[in-house]
Amino acid sequence: NAGVMQNPRHLVRRRGQEARLRCSPMKGHSHVYWYRQLPEEGLKFMVYLQKENIIDESGMPKERFSAEFPKEGPSILRIQQVVRGDSAAYFCASSSMTGTNTEAFFGQGTRLTVV
Amino acid sequence: QQQVKQSPQSLIVQKGGISIINCAYENTAFDYFPWYQQFPGKGPALLIAIRPDVSEKKEGRFTISFNKSAKQFSLHIMDSQPGDSATYFCAASRGSNYKLTFGKGTLLTVNP
Repeated sequence: NAGVMQNPRHLVRRRGQEARLRCSPMKGHSHVYWYRQLPEEGLKFMVYLQKENIIDESGMPKERFSAEFPKEGPSILRIQQVVRGDSAAYFCASSSMTGTNTEAFFGQGTRLTVV
Repeated sequence: QQQVKQSPQSLIVQKGGISIINCAYENTAFDYFPWYQQFPGKGPALLIAIRPDVSEKKEGRFTISFNKSAKQFSLHIMDSQPGDSATYFCAASRGSNYKLTFGKGTLLTVNP
């Protein structure tokens, strides 16, 4: 059973371009979460999705950021018109359920660099 | 506003020693306190977690101590090994496994 798969592992974008980060959850997991880790900071929750639904986007920046988890295919975190401050590691996690009795498993992350 | 404060920022321990990492939280509604271990280039992995109804939880060489009145919790790694060298994050949440508030992390180095 493969773990949470994220790609690409590394992504370089010029200012103003779009970044698309992909996340395939573990088999059997229908809950997906995105986190952002700025340099020398802890992870910060961004958004929680289930298939075709955004459940909690309270951590998402109001502009330029969007996320989806379609019926088929991976979850996508999309950043439009990237700026240098978007440079960070973006982690996806998945779980079979929410609640504190269920572990959420993290992927290896996508390191986004904006030049 | 940082709701979970973690210390120290870095820690060097000799093999066989005890590693201690501390966290303090502000939100009294938090009811789930996990610790994560992260190796370079990898995602965080759940190490051990505790709820506020117990003061201590032990799993192998890893122990969480929890002080509800002081709003503090700590990770103790007994008989530390070089393979334990990693970044450790404490976190807290209210009733969920996903909407976690993380500390800034502690880089642990265990010298052989």
